[in-house]
Parts: sequence; structure tokens; C-alpha cells
Amino acid sequence: AQSVTQPDIHITVSEGASLELRCNYSYGATPYLFWYVQSPGQGLQLLLKYFSGDTLVQGIKGFEAEFKRSQSSFNLRKPSVHWSDAAEYFCAVGPPRNILTGGGNKLTFGTGTQLKVEL
Amino acid sequence: NAGVMQNPRHLVRRRGQEARLRCSPMKGHSHVYWYRQLPEEGLKFMVYLQKENIIDESGMPKERFSAEFPKEGPSILRIQQVVRGDSAAYFCASSPSRDFSYNEQFFGPGTRLTVL
Repeated sequence: AQSVTQPDIHITVSEGASLELRCNYSYGATPYLFWYVQSPGQGLQLLLKYFSGDTLVQGIKGFEAEFKRSQSSFNLRKPSVHWSDAAEYFCAVGPPRNILTGGGNKLTFGTGTQLKVEL
Repeated sequence: NAGVMQNPRHLVRRRGQEARLRCSPMKGHSHVYWYRQLPEEGLKFMVYLQKENIIDESGMPKERFSAEFPKEGPSILRIQQVVRGDSAAYFCASSPSRDFSYNEQFFGPGTRLTVL
């Protein structure tokens, strides 16, 4: 069964510092990979996604993520964090295009990483 | 173009009552997913529906939970005889189509259910 692990439950960084959030997955094939951000009381917003091709993907708000097949990882990075980035971040996987399942595109999420930004 | 709408945003029920959660997908979207987020956990898939059809309900608890997406109107997630363990945030997501390409899911703001 597929699973997503986000080993860091909480991370605190200073504003302006760099950020890396870790994500590892377990899946039968290379899945589609996603990072979502959830602000308090809000729904989820897609930051970026990886389907295939270039393993470094750029997203919104200055975020990027790198897919490493050998490590089954998809870590999220940002060179300089802003106070407004404080939120919860979720890594998720979805079935790849070449798997035809009746389940549509249901996503499997990690447990999230809560990011706190110190001014 | 309005996003995914969910109502109510907050719902309080006493044990044994029924909870009805509504989700209106984005315009032009015919696929709806429901996810549940328990406290301190990630979102977990519950059910995937298309208009008038349940496609995958593998994440739905076997009892008390049901979902529908009628031809007209919003998708409804119904929880009968709620228990304290049902307290969670319930998120709906919609996507435009499935086909053979990946279609992004757009999430609503969620309904936070509290069972007293």
C-alpha cells in the first residue's frame, strides 16, 4: 500500500533563512507527487507538482521541490522564508497516469509539517 | 469563477444526531472527492464520486457514512448517529475530468465537525 512520510512534525526557522521540508514515499511505481499548503482554518492550496521530466520543479510563492527516485523523496525547499509562509505543509502522492484504476486520482497525504517562522 | 464551496464551515452535533456536509464543485467540474482530516493527522481519502455515481468508496467507514452527488445540486456527505470520533475537518475537492491525463484537485475550505 502506498504511504507518505513527513518525518518533521514541527519546524521553526527565522525569517530570511532557507527551508527544506522532507517527504519520503512508498509506492509500487513512481507516483505523481504534490506539495500542498494549508493556512489555519483554510483549505489546501497546491504549491507544486511532479509528473515526469525535470526532477527539479518550481512552484508558486518561490517554492521548489526535487524528486529523487533513488531515495523515494520529494523534498520541498525555499531559499528565503517569509513570515507569511507560516502554515502547515502536506506532501501527497497520486496514482501515475499509466495505472488505470477505478479510484480516480485519489491522493495519499503525509501527516504534515507545521512551519513556524520567527521574526 | 468561484472555487469549491463547502457548507457549513462549522457544524456542531450531539452524539447520535445526523450531520450533513455539502460540497459544490467548481463550475465545469464533474468529479468530487471527500477527505477527512483527524486532529494532528493528514488528510485521508474517503470517497470519489462522479455525477450520480460512486466510483470509489474504499476509504469510507462501513457504517453510518454515505455520500452522494446527484445530477443537480451539491455533493452530500452524510454521517448518521455521529460519535465523538467523527469530530474532524472534512474536505471536498473537485476536478474537471479524469480521461488519461492528470487533473488537479481543487480543495474547498472544509467543514469542521465537532461532536459533543
